[in-house]
Amino acid sequence: DADVTQTPRNRITKTGKRIMLECSQTKGHDRMYWYRQDPGLGLRLIYYSFDVKDINKGEISDGYSVSRQAQAKFSLSLESAIPNQTALYFCATSDLGTDLPGELFFGEGSRLTVL
Amino acid sequence: GEDVEQSLFLSVREGDSSVINCTYTDSSSTYLYWYKQEPGAGLQLLTYIFSNMDMKQDQRLTVLLNKKDKHLSLRIADTQTGDSAIYFCAESDWGGATNKLIFGTGTLLAVQP
Repeated sequence: DADVTQTPRNRITKTGKRIMLECSQTKGHDRMYWYRQDPGLGLRLIYYSFDVKDINKGEISDGYSVSRQAQAKFSLSLESAIPNQTALYFCATSDLGTDLPGELFFGEGSRLTVL
Repeated sequence: GEDVEQSLFLSVREGDSSVINCTYTDSSSTYLYWYKQEPGAGLQLLTYIFSNMDMKQDQRLTVLLNKKDKHLSLRIADTQTGDSAIYFCAESDWGGATNKLIFGTGTLLAVQP
């Protein structure tokens, strides 16, 4: 089983709908992140959380919200989806005490299409 | 803000060397990284270099850092078809104020047989 699991893996929705992407991890890491990937733009940070009570905005948080329900769970919500939120979304985890500083562990991605 | 730039595409023949380049703007970066993304998968850390180093070698991989010019490169020797992937440069101040990773735009490496 994957250490970082994202659901759903693929989702097609319509403009204005509310969407939640979920991420769970079995690595025991405190830190969790949501990134979106767009061709030619690379990965951009949406939100990150260093522990259950800590939530921080990334570069492109507008139109998104997050919830850290537990150490192992970090969900991303689009309250009212719009077409330019069509992208591949990645959840990642890390731990300050890892052997390799800055090593992030990624899920397999959630492809979201907003029509 | 921080900015990390890469060329979008590189094509090489199997057996040749590949060089992927990256420029960044944040002078407070303490670590710089290369991540690899294979088709349909998430990113995986390939290698990293601490900002006070000029070079790091790991088997077929050589990382060069020019801190003055804020330029990072990844050289892959004897490139194989299995090296075909998107390579992302990233920088962070890990252990410092923010501990965020800022990723570049990614370079698609296509290896021709």
